[in-house]
Amino acid sequence: GAVVSQHPSWVICKSGTSVKIECRSLDFQATTMFWYRQFPKQSLMLMATSNEGSKATYEQGVEKDKFLINHASLTLSTLTVTSAHPEDSSFYICSARVGVDTEAFFGQGTRLTVV
Amino acid sequence: KNQVEQSPQSLIILEGKNCTLQCNYTVSPFSNLRWYKQDTGRGPVSLTIMTFSENTKSNGRYTATLDADTKQSSLHITASQLSDSASYICVVSHSNDYKLSFGAGTTVTVRA
Repeated sequence: GAVVSQHPSWVICKSGTSVKIECRSLDFQATTMFWYRQFPKQSLMLMATSNEGSKATYEQGVEKDKFLINHASLTLSTLTVTSAHPEDSSFYICSARVGVDTEAFFGQGTRLTVV
Repeated sequence: KNQVEQSPQSLIILEGKNCTLQCNYTVSPFSNLRWYKQDTGRGPVSLTIMTFSENTKSNGRYTATLDADTKQSSLHITASQLSDSASYICVVSHSNDYKLSFGAGTTVTVRA
């Protein structure tokens, strides 16, 4: 299957700082990428849908000014957690699709810990 | 309200034994149903994907079934191995906007 690479796999940051997470589709062009958040023993929750060259669509309750998403190319989307706080500590996962309802390939996830 | 419910929440089985995981969904209309395996601290990896017209699909020792009339799916693991220890997630794609609804997953622990 196709490969989606997410970086970093884990990060620890101080409260108030910003953290950038990268999601790359290595062997295909992804017109749409998705960002999820997952708390322990819970299902993945969609945060936002990122379309190349346009603004991201955020799910209800997700602060777009806090979770900045950029999808500048067909192979790269970034999620920046701005002014991170301990409650932002979570597992963040990106996903990419080639088409509208095709197979979704997931990155390996990023464990964010804010201290 | 979560539109995808999985059971059991967790289970423990001995190596070599079989097990079956259940998924009930209320998503309608749906485009396809997927099963993913998620190792601890990793992203999900696809096992099977079925459209509403498919009743069963296999991937090695994993066999998924789908009953679109009752909105139920199952994932059967045959001759379990230690490496099967993971969370198994049922995911349903909405046919109107193709968004994915995720179940909370079933945590499977295989013991020697």
